[in-house]
Amino acid sequence: DTGVSQNPRHKITKRGQNVTFRCDPISEHNRLYWYRQTLGQGPEFLTYFQNEAQLEKSRLLSDRFSAERPKGSFSTLEIQRTEQGDSAMYLCASSFQTGIKGEQYFGPGTRLTVT
Amino acid sequence: KQEVTQIPAALSVPEGENLVLNCSFTDSAIYNLQWFRQDPGKGLTSLLLIQSSQREQTSGRLNASLDKSSGRSTLYIAASQPGDSATYLCAVKGGGSYIPTFGRGTSLIVHP
Repeated sequence: DTGVSQNPRHKITKRGQNVTFRCDPISEHNRLYWYRQTLGQGPEFLTYFQNEAQLEKSRLLSDRFSAERPKGSFSTLEIQRTEQGDSAMYLCASSFQTGIKGEQYFGPGTRLTVT
Repeated sequence: KQEVTQIPAALSVPEGENLVLNCSFTDSAIYNLQWFRQDPGKGLTSLLLIQSSQREQTSGRLNASLDKSSGRSTLYIAASQPGDSATYLCAVKGGGSYIPTFGRGTSLIVHP
């Protein structure tokens, strides 16, 4: 399977703990996006990378959140000092495009529950 | 700021019906619009991508149209089946941004 993969699929953590999620995009895709989705809502943009460069971050991404894509391949999203409000589905998507056009392909998501 | 609205929020129909799902957006200067399907607790599956220069795209029983001037897109599902039950989301990319704006989705149930 050459689709977008995310690990872990589920994560339960206690408030105050740090968590890290991984996303492996489709191999030839140069853009990678992170979104957060809560029940009944569409995905909300968090951040995106073009190759290894983080080009845009949402205001939703507080200083407790950090994302990296060190070699322009896989990406990690870390949440420090988790809060109950961080409970959500975290989605990763990738695309290959040289301009605005480009179809996004999503991974299965990581569901985070903060207790 | 782009805002995307999907109507209806939920829809329940008997198998075999033809359906129309609506997506409206406030800023007509878009680059493309993408329709997705999401099954409960899962990620999004891309259905159709319409570029701003296109009027419609078709894939099997699905047809998506785009009218930029009125800020609307419709997803037409022909001969609905129980396996079509899912949430359908539209995402609009435009305004000089690489970041798409999503609607909240239409939750579809097709009962046998």
